[in-house]
Amino acid sequence: DAGVTQSPTHLIKTRGQQVTLRCSPKSGHDTVSWYQQALGQGPQFIFQYYEEEERQRGNFPDRFSGHQFPNYSSELNVNALLLGDSALYLCASSLVDEQFFGPGTRLTVL
Amino acid sequence: SQQGEEDPQALSIQEGENATMNCSYKTSINNLQWYRQNSGRGLVHLILIRSNEREKHSGRLRVTLDTSKKSSSLLITASRAADTASYFCATDGRTGGGADGLTFGKGTHLIIQP
Repeated sequence: DAGVTQSPTHLIKTRGQQVTLRCSPKSGHDTVSWYQQALGQGPQFIFQYYEEEERQRGNFPDRFSGHQFPNYSSELNVNALLLGDSALYLCASSLVDEQFFGPGTRLTVL
Repeated sequence: SQQGEEDPQALSIQEGENATMNCSYKTSINNLQWYRQNSGRGLVHLILIRSNEREKHSGRLRVTLDTSKKSSSLLITASRAADTASYFCATDGRTGGGADGLTFGKGTHLIIQP
């Protein structure tokens, strides 16, 4: 049983560009959450998707948007990238309470 | 903002010893989860304890929860070099069913000396 998968593994972008990150949830999970983890910090909640709708959102600007597809996979889009967006982006899937994380996408903004 | 605060920030012990990490949080919770992270990779789920539970075990892990003090502890017994990692507690404030956005602390960096 494949766990949570994310792509790409690493990404380098320039300020002002846009980026799309992808996540496939663990089999049987219907909820996907996205987190941003800066170096030396704990993950910060961005938003959560359930039944293709954004169910809850953390304290992130509208430049961060997402989507969930009928097969429960999800995308995270970030527009107008800033240097401060450089971080590890983690996706987690869940069915009830336990959230299982993918390996993350390391985004570097130059 | 980060709700959970792990203590200590860093811990170095000898292999075979027990390691204890503490977590404090600020608001009411539905459950509390502990995760391990190796070298900036993805988080590995260790254990979930619900607000109506006081203690839970999983292998060499023992987690306690004191909702009156808004605190939790993670004990790793008979530590191994492979336990070297950062450990995070995360709280879920939603009541009722369904997952919620987790709030993490900054983590405890555990180093096991061979």
